[in-house]
Amino acid sequence: NAGVTQTPKFQVLKTGQSMTLQCAQDMNHNSMYWYRQDPGMGLRLIYYSASEGTTDKGEVPNGYNVSRLNKREFSLRLESAAPSQTSVYFCASSAGTTNTEAFFGQGTRLTVV
Amino acid sequence: GEDVEQSLFLSVREGDSSVINCTYTDSSSTYLYWYKQEPGAGLQLLTYIFSNMDMKQDQRLTVLLNKKDKHLSLRIADTQTGDSAIYFCAERGHADKLIFGTGTRLQVFP
Repeated sequence: NAGVTQTPKFQVLKTGQSMTLQCAQDMNHNSMYWYRQDPGMGLRLIYYSASEGTTDKGEVPNGYNVSRLNKREFSLRLESAAPSQTSVYFCASSAGTTNTEAFFGQGTRLTVV
Repeated sequence: GEDVEQSLFLSVREGDSSVINCTYTDSSSTYLYWYKQEPGAGLQLLTYIFSNMDMKQDQRLTVLLNKKDKHLSLRIADTQTGDSAIYFCAERGHADKLIFGTGTRLQVFP
């Protein structure tokens, strides 16, 4: 069982470059999330999608865009990377409001130099 | 807006009980969770509590919820070195938004 799959696992970008982080889940979940994890800051919600075709801003959306391509996939795009976006990024999914557990991917470690 | 706060560090001796605390602000939260993160890994669900419950026990884990004070705690009985990890409190609120706390790093020493 794959669960939540994120790619890539590691990435180094130069300031100003763009990239897309991919996330896919095979559990037929309605809700998907993108978080960033920074020391002392915990997990902060960037964007989430409560269902296919909808996306909403989280706590720290600036500098990011998302696409809920279909029910399985939820991508996160950095249009012009900045050093402040150096972080570990996690994608997660859950069945929806009637379910309790969110499942996480293994994370993407992004460094912007 | 939603906010979830935790203390950053907790250090306990092996065999003692650990208590990790969390406060949250969204009174409409339906579920509250505790997740565990081991080094280099994603988060895994430990336990959860529905907002109309006061307590939930699951083997060595006890969750207490004080809805009036918006305070959640996780007690780990007989703490082992394998329990060393970061523990995150999280709340599920409006429109299925899932907000995490800052995480508490638990260190267990012999």
